[in-house]
Amino acid sequence: GAVVSQHPSWVICKSGTSVKIECRSLDFQATTMFWYRQFPKQSLMLMATSNEGSKATYEQGVEKDKFLINHASLTLSTLTVTSAHPEDSSFYICSARDSLAGMNTEAFFGQGTRLTVV
Amino acid sequence: DQQVKQNSPSLSVQEGRISILNCDYTNSMFDYFLWYKKYPAEGPTFLISISSIKDKNEDGRFTVFLNKSAKHLSLHIVPSQPGDSAVYFCAASEGGSEKLVFGKGTKLTVNP
Repeated sequence: GAVVSQHPSWVICKSGTSVKIECRSLDFQATTMFWYRQFPKQSLMLMATSNEGSKATYEQGVEKDKFLINHASLTLSTLTVTSAHPEDSSFYICSARDSLAGMNTEAFFGQGTRLTVV
Repeated sequence: DQQVKQNSPSLSVQEGRISILNCDYTNSMFDYFLWYKKYPAEGPTFLISISSIKDKNEDGRFTVFLNKSAKHLSLHIVPSQPGDSAVYFCAASEGGSEKLVFGKGTKLTVNP
């Protein structure tokens, strides 16, 4: 089946530094990928839609200068948390659908990245 | 305003019995619905989906029922197994959009 690989699975960084998270579709092309954030005991919150070759679309309340998204190819999107602070500590998950599979098909999720900012 | 609601945060059932997870939605434009299973510290795994042109879809032990008039869907797992213990998310999309709207999830515990 289709696989989405997310890396790293966990990262600890110092406050003020930046962290990059990668999301790759391994056996399909994805013109659109999605980045979610999950707080403990809460639902998946969509942060932004990553569009291949163009700017990402951010959900209301998400700082685009803080969460930089790059979707340089049909199989790779990156999320960079800039100047990370402890409140950015969370579980970040990406998802993608096969762009060639047509409408109403399932999205596949990466394994998630646990970010801890100390 | 939450468009997809899973009102039961948790559910506990005995192994071998049926698990029924419920989901309600408010957006009548939603036309595709999915269920995902999630273990702690992992990404969600797709389980089963249903298009609004159907009212039932079955895959092995998993069946999803859709009641469009009530804007309600449910996931039935039978027989339930201890390995089914996880958080189950209901999700919906509209008009072929790739964007999914998720419910808050229901934690299922299947007791041996």
